[in-house]
Amino acid sequence: DTGVSQNPRHKITKRGQNVTFRCDPISEHNRLYWYRQTLGQGPEFLTYFQNEAQLEKSRLLSDRFSAERPKGSFSTLEIQRTEQGDSAMYLCASSGASGGNEQFFGPGTRLTVL
Amino acid sequence: GENVEQHPSTLSVQEGDSAVIKCTYSDSASNYFPWYKQELGKGPQLIIDIRSNVGEKKDQRIAVTLNKTAKHFSLHITETQPEDSAVYFCAASYFGNEKLTFGTGTRLTIIP
Repeated sequence: DTGVSQNPRHKITKRGQNVTFRCDPISEHNRLYWYRQTLGQGPEFLTYFQNEAQLEKSRLLSDRFSAERPKGSFSTLEIQRTEQGDSAMYLCASSGASGGNEQFFGPGTRLTVL
Repeated sequence: GENVEQHPSTLSVQEGDSAVIKCTYSDSASNYFPWYKQELGKGPQLIIDIRSNVGEKKDQRIAVTLNKTAKHFSLHITETQPEDSAVYFCAASYFGNEKLTFGTGTRLTIIP
């Protein structure tokens, strides 16, 4: 399967703990995006990479959130000192330079903060 | 920033009938409008998109229309089938600003 993959699919953590999610984009896609989706809402943009450069961050991305894409391939999203309000589905998408802005999403990581 | 509104929030359609979902956007600079289908527990799946240089695009039973003057676009599904039941999201962006701004979704239920 050459689609976008995300791990883990589900994460349950206690408030105050740190969590890290991983996203593997479609091979050779140079753009990678993170979105957050809460129940009953559409995805909300968090941040975007072109190769290894983080080009844009949403105001939703507080200083407890950090994302990296060190080699321009996979990306990680870390949330420090989790809060109950962080409970959501975290979605990763990728797109290639030749495909315009067509973004292909992974299955998501569902985070539950107790 | 861009704001996308989507209607209706829920839609029930008899199998075989057509379904129409409408979206409006606020930023006249937006020029790319994708539609996604999301099934329970899965990520959004791109089903069709349209760029501002065309007014309509069709792919089998699915079509999208765009009215740039009125800043609205619509998804049309004909001959609906039970497997069309899902949540559908519209989105907007423009080249050079890669983030997608999504609508709030439409839960489509096909009644057998």
